[in-house]
Amino acid sequence: DAGVIQSPRHEVTEMGQEVTLRCKPISGHDYLFWYRQTMMRGLELLIYFNNNVPIDDSGMPEDRFSAKMPNASFSTLKIQPSEPRDSAVYFCASSLRGAGTEAFFGQGTRLTVV
Amino acid sequence: DQQVKQNSPSLSVQEGRISILNCDYTNSMFDYFLWYKKYPAEGPTFLISISSIKDKNEDGRFTVFLNKSAKHLSLHIVPSQPGDSAVYFCAPQINYGGSQGNLIFGKGTKLSVKP
Repeated sequence: DAGVIQSPRHEVTEMGQEVTLRCKPISGHDYLFWYRQTMMRGLELLIYFNNNVPIDDSGMPEDRFSAKMPNASFSTLKIQPSEPRDSAVYFCASSLRGAGTEAFFGQGTRLTVV
Repeated sequence: DQQVKQNSPSLSVQEGRISILNCDYTNSMFDYFLWYKKYPAEGPTFLISISSIKDKNEDGRFTVFLNKSAKHLSLHIVPSQPGDSAVYFCAPQINYGGSQGNLIFGKGTKLSVKP
């Protein structure tokens, strides 16, 4: 398996534009996590899914953020409209069922909103 | 509400010496504690974990110690190598009847191992 695949790797967009980040988890994994990394706040959990169902979205900062998982092999994180303070690295991770099992991370999407 | 704290943002050690990275938590419900390592421009990668029913877990040069009464754990790297230079994250997790809860991360400690 190629691991968790995120696209794009880099995204530069203008304030007010819609941004869509994509993630393909490892096949067979039941859990999918979206994180945001910033200097100030470190790695923040935004939302996670179990079997394609959102379980906890309490980390989503505002209504401008939304995430979907239409099937077991694809998830999106959308920001509409984007703002400069959304600039960060966004990571997607997936893991198998079972507490204590490791999560595998993608290489991240570096988002810059100008 | 920070449930997990890594109070040292950075740590510098000499090659061959011991590196000790600390993590404190507040939630007594945590069942597992995972450590991740992150290099620049890469996603975090899993390093080692410990169950709350244990007080020590060892894997090669890496050992994690858990003190439940103090709600404290530490990661020891012996001997430290320059390739260990990275940011280390502590990530606790709750076991919900065999299913995992969310995986939250501390803010990380940047380790620099000098040759």
